[in-house]
Amino acid sequence: NAGVTQTPKFQVLKTGQSMTLQCAQDMNHEYMSWYRQDPGMGLRLIHYSVGAGITDQGEVPNGYNVSRSTTEDFPLRLLSAAPSQTSVYFCASSPVDLSSYEQYFGPGTRLTVT
Amino acid sequence: GDSVTQMEGPVTLSEEAFLTINCTYTATGYPSLFWYVQYPGEGLQLLLKATKADDKGSNKGFEATYRKETTSFHLEKGSVQVSDSAVYFCALSDVPQGAQKLVFGQGTRLTINP
Repeated sequence: NAGVTQTPKFQVLKTGQSMTLQCAQDMNHEYMSWYRQDPGMGLRLIHYSVGAGITDQGEVPNGYNVSRSTTEDFPLRLLSAAPSQTSVYFCASSPVDLSSYEQYFGPGTRLTVT
Repeated sequence: GDSVTQMEGPVTLSEEAFLTINCTYTATGYPSLFWYVQYPGEGLQLLLKATKADDKGSNKGFEATYRKETTSFHLEKGSVQVSDSAVYFCALSDVPQGAQKLVFGQGTRLTINP
């Protein structure tokens, strides 16, 4: 049971380049989400999904796209990277049922945009 | 919108000292409250939670009580260890009986010296 995995661990992009951050979970969780972590600001929600085919925006969605074609995978796409997107990105998952109060976080992807 | 405010860091203590990290929140409903911990180079892990007023969450010697009257959820530990060195995040979720769409505080970096 690998939990939540993210690739790559580190990435450097030039302004205007595009890339996809990968996130996968093997716990059959319906809910998946992406957060960005910036110094002094905690984590902020970018996008989330409550199941395959369903996505919605969080607090800071601009500049990012997501899709959810399977329960296991929830990739985050940067179409045209900007220096303001330099951050550490975390993917998280959890069951949707009412008994679950824990989100499971991946190890993170550190992205630098120059 | 909902928000979480944590005491400013970083916090440096000696081993066996008493720890308090303050956390206050603003929410329109009746949120669930959480403390997450991030060890160096890792993702976030749930430390403890409280889902209704006057609940006390506890784990690994840490405790926090959900105080609706003061909108607070302060983290305490009676005797800290070097292994407690980490970044601590207070968070809330206003999803009914759930933990999705977390709103985080800015985090408090804790360093324990031997």
